[in-house]
Amino acid sequence: EVQLVESGGNLVQPGGSLRLSCAASGFTFSSYWMSWVRQAPGKGLEWVANLNQDGNEKHYVDSVKGRFTISRDNAKNTLYLQMNSLRAEDTALYYCARGGLWCPYWGQGTLVTVSS
Amino acid sequence: DIVMTQTPLSSPVTLGQPASISCRSSQSLVHSDGNTYLSWLQQRPGQPPRLLIYKISNRFSGVPDRFSGSGAGTDFTLKISRVEAEDVGVYYCMQGTQFPRTFGQGTKVEIK
Repeated sequence: EVQLVESGGNLVQPGGSLRLSCAASGFTFSSYWMSWVRQAPGKGLEWVANLNQDGNEKHYVDSVKGRFTISRDNAKNTLYLQMNSLRAEDTALYYCARGGLWCPYWGQGTLVTVSS
Repeated sequence: DIVMTQTPLSSPVTLGQPASISCRSSQSLVHSDGNTYLSWLQQRPGQPPRLLIYKISNRFSGVPDRFSGSGAGTDFTLKISRVEAEDVGVYYCMQGTQFPRTFGQGTKVEIK
């Protein structure tokens, strides 16, 4: 069974940093593109970033470029999102999803709140 | 960026009746590889999104056959042939043809 479990969400002050993790199991992690998608409270879905199987091709939405870094450790079956210079508008539930062209599997999400 | 526009934004439906959601993209979603990467997701209240349809009309594993997708180019439709109580939620289209990936605003399906 495919499982994606996010962790690392927390309350952080504006300008602060967080690293999100997504532990994958039930499939060959190193064979798939992986994505981060977020959802602000009461709002729709927003794609944040994704990367290819070996992590050398990465793409970001403009609003996070230069602040967020997506990465993966295929030996640990784990996806990461390093988030720096956090802003109030980054407050959201962050989902990890398998896939780059479409996303058939999603985690339950981890909540990031940026507030003073 | 490709803008995805869904209509309607809200759809009150009677149980057992059909429902239809439209998704229009600001540019053609035909990829250089010839495929069209338009997918549909369902998000039930309090749940993560769930993939229903990928590449316009391919039903994902375990998705009931009352869900169907159609369309081409820039115009796409999700149809529910007979709405059931468990279909309540928000439906999103998503394009995977171009970066950044983008979603429609979401269409809320509720029971009348």
